[in-house]
Amino acid sequence: DAGVIQSPRHEVTEMGQEVTLRCKPISGHDYLFWYRQTMMRGLELLIYFNNNVPIDDSGMPEDRFSAKMPNASFSTLKIQPSEPRDSAVYFCASSYARLLSGANVLTFGAGSRLTVL
Amino acid sequence: RKEVEQDPGPFNVPEGATVAFNCTYSNSASQSFFWYRQDCRKEPKLLMSVYSSGNEDGRFTAQLNRASQYISLLIRDSKLSDSATYLCVVNLYTGGFKTIFGAGTRLFVKA
Repeated sequence: DAGVIQSPRHEVTEMGQEVTLRCKPISGHDYLFWYRQTMMRGLELLIYFNNNVPIDDSGMPEDRFSAKMPNASFSTLKIQPSEPRDSAVYFCASSYARLLSGANVLTFGAGSRLTVL
Repeated sequence: RKEVEQDPGPFNVPEGATVAFNCTYSNSASQSFFWYRQDCRKEPKLLMSVYSSGNEDGRFTAQLNRASQYISLLIRDSKLSDSATYLCVVNLYTGGFKTIFGAGTRLFVKA
């Protein structure tokens, strides 16, 4: 298994530009999570999906951020327009939840490091 | 108040030392608990699950106290390779499994 695959690994863009981050979860996983990590705020949950349906997007900072999961093997996180304060590492993670035990172990992608100038 | 709180450290310890990390969570309905490890400029990876009865994995011991909403991780006989950030993680079911990470505790093990 190739694990969770994210692209691009690094992106440098200018303020105002649109940024699209991509994620391919592990096959068979039913949950997909988008997190943002900065030194100041740590790892913040932005949104998560269950069976391709968004369950909780309360962590999305503002309307400039949007996420989609059109099918079980692909998700995008879009920032439009981007701002310097969006600079962070964006992680995608997927999991297969075990409802009876309440366990939900995440496997992370390598992350997308975004710099907005 | 943050949903999951940890002492950010850093903890600087010599090789062979025993070090303990603590974590508290705010939602009493939280269902499952984990410790993850994150190396510098890498993604977080699962270290171990945490159970009320306590559990060990080699030099690592994790403990959960549901009454106090408190989670701990003990590392014995620290190795240089243990240097990393340790993240406390809580799962909460609210129509779906919401997985919340603490900000992490940094550990530096010195020779």
